[in-house]
Amino acid sequence: QKEVEQDPGPLSVPEGAIVSLNCTYSNSAFQYFMWYRQYSRKGPELLMYTYSSGNKEDGRFTAQVDKSSKYISLFIRDSQPSDSATYLCAMSKSGANNLFFGTGTRLTVIP
Amino acid sequence: NAGVMQNPRHLVRRRGQEARLRCSPVKGHSHVYWYRQLPEEGLKFMVYLQKENIIDESGMPKERFSAEFPKEGPSILRIQQVVRGDSAAYFCASSLTLTGPQNIQYFGAGTRLSVL
Repeated sequence: QKEVEQDPGPLSVPEGAIVSLNCTYSNSAFQYFMWYRQYSRKGPELLMYTYSSGNKEDGRFTAQVDKSSKYISLFIRDSQPSDSATYLCAMSKSGANNLFFGTGTRLTVIP
Repeated sequence: NAGVMQNPRHLVRRRGQEARLRCSPVKGHSHVYWYRQLPEEGLKFMVYLQKENIIDESGMPKERFSAEFPKEGPSILRIQQVVRGDSAAYFCASSLTLTGPQNIQYFGAGTRLSVL
């Protein structure tokens, strides 16, 4: 069993839709949670960083963490074609150095 | 304000040759990480280094792979006697600190290694 599970998609939505991306994890030692966006042939770019259960909002993006269910989500409001990319969830353990990534969900926003 | 710089962006090697991948971290960052991304897979941790020290190489294959982060100059990931299975995108990341909210890892654009 992978420590971090993420539906690879692909996911296609019309412009303006609300997008929901999710990851589950099995290790309760994970304390820090991140969402990265990766455009084709580019490096991952950090979108959101959280370290507690609850919601964190930044513009059109909302990250949600539910540690009791070992479940994290990223919501994108008013999705734009420029949001078309692969979205990677990542997490790390307290005091540890390496990130554990999901496989990524490929999102296409259709104009 | 340069981010993480990796070079080369693309590297082609024949089986049995050596591959050297370079990474310059964000200015002021002393923690460097290497990850490998195989097609249709997520990034997998390989090694974590601080200046002149390998701290965690638990994700590094036992043979042919090595990494360094000298006092001066970029971090180097070295793959000896490359095989076709080494073909992947290799990403370097750096962070300001090890723990807490400032342990945010910033990634470079990657080096895409193709082994013929």
